[in-house]
Amino acid sequence: GAVVSQHPSWVICKSGTSVKIECRSLDFQATTMFWYRQFPKQSLMLMATSNEGSKATYEQGVEKDKFLINHASLTLSTLTVTSAHPEDSSFYICSARGSEINYNSPLHFGNGTRLTVT
Amino acid sequence: AQKVTQAQTEISVVEKEDVTLDCVYETRDTTYYLFWYKQPPSGELVFLIRRNSFDEQNEISGRYSWNFQKSTSSFNFTITASQVVDSAVYFCALSEVSTGGFKTIFGAGTRLFVKA
Repeated sequence: GAVVSQHPSWVICKSGTSVKIECRSLDFQATTMFWYRQFPKQSLMLMATSNEGSKATYEQGVEKDKFLINHASLTLSTLTVTSAHPEDSSFYICSARGSEINYNSPLHFGNGTRLTVT
Repeated sequence: AQKVTQAQTEISVVEKEDVTLDCVYETRDTTYYLFWYKQPPSGELVFLIRRNSFDEQNEISGRYSWNFQKSTSSFNFTITASQVVDSAVYFCALSEVSTGGFKTIFGAGTRLFVKA
């Protein structure tokens, strides 16, 4: 099956620094990637949708200047948490759809990145 | 607007019991897709099943079965003869054709504990 690799698996950073999370599709071209955020014991909240070569579409309430998303190629999307604060500590998960763009296609998820801001 | 409701926050059963996880959805679209995903303690999300709005046929896969009823907007998931390895959080999810961007919205999840 399709593989999505997310890196790093976990990261600890100091308040005020920026952290970059990478999401790669290893065996398919991901025209659309999604970034989700999951707080402990809560659901996945969609943060943004990114299409290769264009600006990401952010969900209401998500600060686009704080969560920078770049989808420069068909196999890589990055999420940068800028000027991180402790409240940004969370589990971030990326997912991708292949170029067939079917609504019924299941999402292929990365293994997630656990971010802790101290 | 689309919405997915999983009213059961946590369920605890003893091994070999059957358990049903409920999912109720809201959508204005006539074409939509429903999914179930499993999230074990390790955190990764595992795709379990997909169902489109035109296919109400129930499905069985091993110990798993799904009951899709459009009349009640429900897509319930049953695990037969549960095992400890089934312990995880289970998410029901919905994708609408009309939202564009192929967004998938998740329910709050049901945490299943299966005791030996």
